Amino acid sequence: EAGVTQSPRYAVLQEGQAVSFWCDPISGHDTLYWYQQPRDQGPQLLVYFRDEAVIDNSQLPSDRFSAVRPKGTNSTLKIQSAKQGDTATYLCASSQPGQGGEAPLFGEGTRLSVL
Amino acid sequence: GQQVQQSPASLVLQEGENAELQCNFSTSLNSMQWFYQRPEGSLVSLFYNPSGTKQSGRLTSTTVIKERRSSLHISSSQITDSGTYLCAIGTGGYKVVFGSGTRLLVSP
Repeated sequence: EAGVTQSPRYAVLQEGQAVSFWCDPISGHDTLYWYQQPRDQGPQLLVYFRDEAVIDNSQLPSDRFSAVRPKGTNSTLKIQSAKQGDTATYLCASSQPGQGGEAPLFGEGTRLSVL
Repeated sequence: GQQVQQSPASLVLQEGENAELQCNFSTSLNSMQWFYQRPEGSLVSLFYNPSGTKQSGRLTSTTVIKERRSSLHISSSQITDSGTYLCAIGTGGYKVVFGSGTRLLVSP
């Protein structure tokens, strides 16, 4: 079974540029998460979806970040006008919580450097 | 304050030594998971352990709910164990919160 797939693996931008990250979750997983992990920190939740609905986007910087999952499968995270402080690894995860819960499975991440 | 705190922040071992990594949480949880993060960034799930003790090879995870803590024990460490170890809790509504990690370096 294929795991969570993310692309690109790496991105390097100048400040002010835009970038999009793409995530293909595990087939059948209804919950999808995007995390931001700055260097030497743990992953921090940005947004998560159940099917196509946003459940929690309270940590998503709404002025420059946006995330969609229009058909409840693949998802795109976009950063408009990137800043140096956005330099981090962006991780996507998916889960199909059943009885007792099932922890999310992660993709390999996208490493973003904003110069 | 932080819901999940890990200690130590970093650890250096000689090959063959044992390590005990701690994860303390300040809220009730419905899931607990330990991850290993490779140097290039990918996350590998080590244990899904919301309570009790689980062992896999040289790794043992113990979660004590009423004390709001979980530990990861690494026995006979190897150089390839080097990396970052993260704990994460599920707080309900499928939200998962991570600690800041323990960076482990095992030297020959």
